Amino acid sequence: DTEVTQTPKHLVMGMTNKKSLKCEQHMGHRAMYWYKQKAKKPPELMFVYSYEKLSINESVPSRFSPECPNSSLLNLHLHALQPEDSALYLCASSLTGGQPQHFGDGTRLSIL
Amino acid sequence: TQLLEQSPQFLSIQEGENLTVYCNSSSVFSSLQWYRQEPGEGPVLLVTVVTGGEVKKLKRLTFQFGDARKDSSLHITAAQPGDTGLYLCAGEETTDSWGKLQFGAGTQVVVTP
Repeated sequence: DTEVTQTPKHLVMGMTNKKSLKCEQHMGHRAMYWYKQKAKKPPELMFVYSYEKLSINESVPSRFSPECPNSSLLNLHLHALQPEDSALYLCASSLTGGQPQHFGDGTRLSIL
Repeated sequence: TQLLEQSPQFLSIQEGENLTVYCNSSSVFSSLQWYRQEPGEGPVLLVTVVTGGEVKKLKRLTFQFGDARKDSSLHITAAQPGDTGLYLCAGEETTDSWGKLQFGAGTQVVVTP
């Protein structure tokens, strides 16, 4: 079992909906990440949080809005997504930046 | 942007055979990680290598980091069906891209009984 927990496992939403993805870890890690993964492709980095502050935004469209309420939680707020945003969204954490990253099992997102 | 080239893209072998996956770059990485991902799950960290020339063993899996820290290989001895999965190498970029992993394209390994 992964130590990074993501909810929900599956999400289907319309293009006008607002939803949130949640990620939680209790390993004391201070760096957390959001990735997007398309089928048969490697994960693509979206955001990096370090000590609850956003340190990297890989030019992600504003319809994706990350939030890090505390050192254990990471959210990804979704609004007005497009069909091409359908993908597996992975959360990862590491002790600090530059340390090995541990991934959750992801949220499979489908946009209708 | 550093580029990690992973080969082969796909490997299909019989149980008991050996296989090697390669990960190459023209750039130097401070560390390199290998992951295995199965359908419907996230990547699982197998190993991290940080020292040039380093060799790490994990049961039947042997990982090697090149002397110049630009390349790495994963060798599986006597593969089993449970080794089936997508193998990903990922390099930690150097100092100005803290925390950012550069992933290879992945190698899909299928081991048939």
